[in-house]
Order: sequence, then structure tokens, then C-alpha cells
Amino acid sequence: EVQLQQSGPELQRPGASVKLSCKASGYTFTEYYMYWVKQRPKQSLELIGRIDPEDGSTDYVEKFKNKATLTADTSSNTAYMQLSSLTSEDTATYFCAKGSYGSFDYWGQGVMVTVSS
Amino acid sequence: DVQMTQSPSNLAASPGESVSINCKASKSISKYLAWYQQKPGKANKLLIYSGSTLQSGTPSRFSGSGSGTDFTLTIRNLEPEDFGLYYCQQHNEYPFTFGSGTKLEIK
Repeated sequence: EVQLQQSGPELQRPGASVKLSCKASGYTFTEYYMYWVKQRPKQSLELIGRIDPEDGSTDYVEKFKNKATLTADTSSNTAYMQLSSLTSEDTATYFCAKGSYGSFDYWGQGVMVTVSS
Repeated sequence: DVQMTQSPSNLAASPGESVSINCKASKSISKYLAWYQQKPGKANKLLIYSGSTLQSGTPSRFSGSGSGTDFTLTIRNLEPEDFGLYYCQQHNEYPFTFGSGTKLEIK
């Protein structure tokens, strides 16, 4: 059974950084892109970018290029996303999702990041 | 980037009824459209991809149609568990983009 287990909720101060994790199981981690998606409260879904765990190559959506850093650890089948210079605009739920020919066939449960002083 | 316009934003229906949700792309995306269901406390669920292909486990009362720029998700004989949020997503060209969502509520 494919599972994506994300880390717990975060409360961070403005200007801080946070690193989220997504542990994959039930499939071969290196064979599929891992995507990260943002959802602000009561808003739609927004793609942040993707990582190819096999070689660590990344593709970021333009607006997130200076905000998010995606990495992957093949020894633990875990994908990470670091968000830097946090502002209130980064308050959102962040999902990891396994890619399947451009659609996302499995999703993590989401992690809420709250940025507040 | 491809803009996805989804309608309606809200939809109310009774169990047993049929509903349709529409998604329009700002340019042709061939057949590459996916539909997702989002419910509180549950992982987002892929229902349909490539316009009309049901993901494994998706009930047959769900169907997808369309190509080019116009797509429709139809749910026939609504079940209580079908109520929630639905999103379309184009997977023709990167960056993949989502529609604004449709909230399906019980009437």
C-alpha cells in the first residue's frame, strides 16, 4: 500500500525557515517524481515544484524559486521541502504527492504551517 | 502557464441525483485533465486522469469527458460520501495547474 507520511504541524515566526518531510512507502521511491503543493486557507491548490528522487533534479514553479528548496533522501525514502524567509503569505497546508504521468495518484495528509509573531 | 477555470464554485444536490462540474483550460491540453476529491481529514484522492480514465478504486458512477479546452466531471446517483470539494488539474504541460474548486454540498 502506497503511503506518504508527512511531518507534524509547524508554528513559525516571520523570517524563520522550516523543513517539512514526506516519508514514502509502498513503492519504489526513485521511480516517480515527488511533487509539493500549497493550499492557503479556503483557497485552491497550487503547485510548488517537483523533485526526481533518482538524481535529485528539481523543477520549481517560478514564484516559488526563492522560497522553496526540495531535496530527497533515497536511503530513507523521504522527500523534504524547506521554506525560507517565512511570511504570513506562507501560512498554508502543504502536501506532498506522488507523480504519475503528470497527475498525482497518492497524497500525503498535508501539514499545516502557521507563520505568526 | 495554463489557466484552469472551474465551474460552478458551489453545487447543492441530493443523494441519488446527478451533477456535473466543468473545467475550461486557457489553451488546449489535449486529453490531459485530472479530477480530485478533497475531504477533511482524508488524503486528497485522484478520481480520473487523462480526461476519462478512472483511477483504480474510483466508483463507476464517476465519469469524465472532454478534450482540448473543455472538460466535465459527472457524478451519477450521488452517494453521501461524494460530498466534498472537487478540483480539476491539467497534466499536459508543466507547471501543472489546478482549477479553483467546486464545493459539492448536500441539499
